[in-house]
Amino acid sequence: QKEVEQDPGPLSVPEGAIVSLNCTYSNSAFQYFMWYRQYSRKGPELLMYTYSSGNKEDGRFTAQVDKSSKYISLFIRDSQPSDSATYLCAMCGGGADGLTFGKGTHLIIQP
Amino acid sequence: EAGVAQSPRYKIIEKRQSVAFWCNPISGHATLYWYQQILGQGPKLLIQFQNNGVVDDSQLPKDRFSAERLKGVDSTLKIQPAKLEDSAVYLCASSLAQRETQYFGPGTRLLVL
Repeated sequence: QKEVEQDPGPLSVPEGAIVSLNCTYSNSAFQYFMWYRQYSRKGPELLMYTYSSGNKEDGRFTAQVDKSSKYISLFIRDSQPSDSATYLCAMCGGGADGLTFGKGTHLIIQP
Repeated sequence: EAGVAQSPRYKIIEKRQSVAFWCNPISGHATLYWYQQILGQGPKLLIQFQNNGVVDDSQLPKDRFSAERLKGVDSTLKIQPAKLEDSAVYLCASSLAQRETQYFGPGTRLLVL
């Protein structure tokens, strides 16, 4: 079992839809949780950074962490074609700073 | 603010050859990371530097990979000799300090034939 599981997709939704992306993890030492967006042939770009369980909102993006279930989510409201990219969950903790990533979910927003 | 710079952007070599990648982090960032991203996978940490010292190289294949960060600024990652399975994107990231946000460069795309 991989430390971080993420469905690679592709996930295709119409413009304006609410998108839900998820990851599960097995290492209970993980304390910091991030979502990165990666466009084709570009480096990952940080979208959200959370520490505690609960919700964090930033514009159209909401990150949710449930440490008891070892489950994190990213919600995108009013999705736009420019949101089409690969979304990577990442996490660290237990004294290590290097990030452990999921495989990434390829998201397609249809105009 | 300038981002993380990497060069070259693309490299094609034959197996058993050697190759080197260069990274210039964001000015003032003390922590530097090298990640390997194989097609269809998330990035995997290879090595982490704090200034010019190694913090974590537990996942670096030390029989063929080496990295250094002289003077605590620029860093180079070398592969010698390269194998077919080393074909990947090599990403450099930097952060102001440990546990701070990591900013990624555009990566170097390596193809080993």
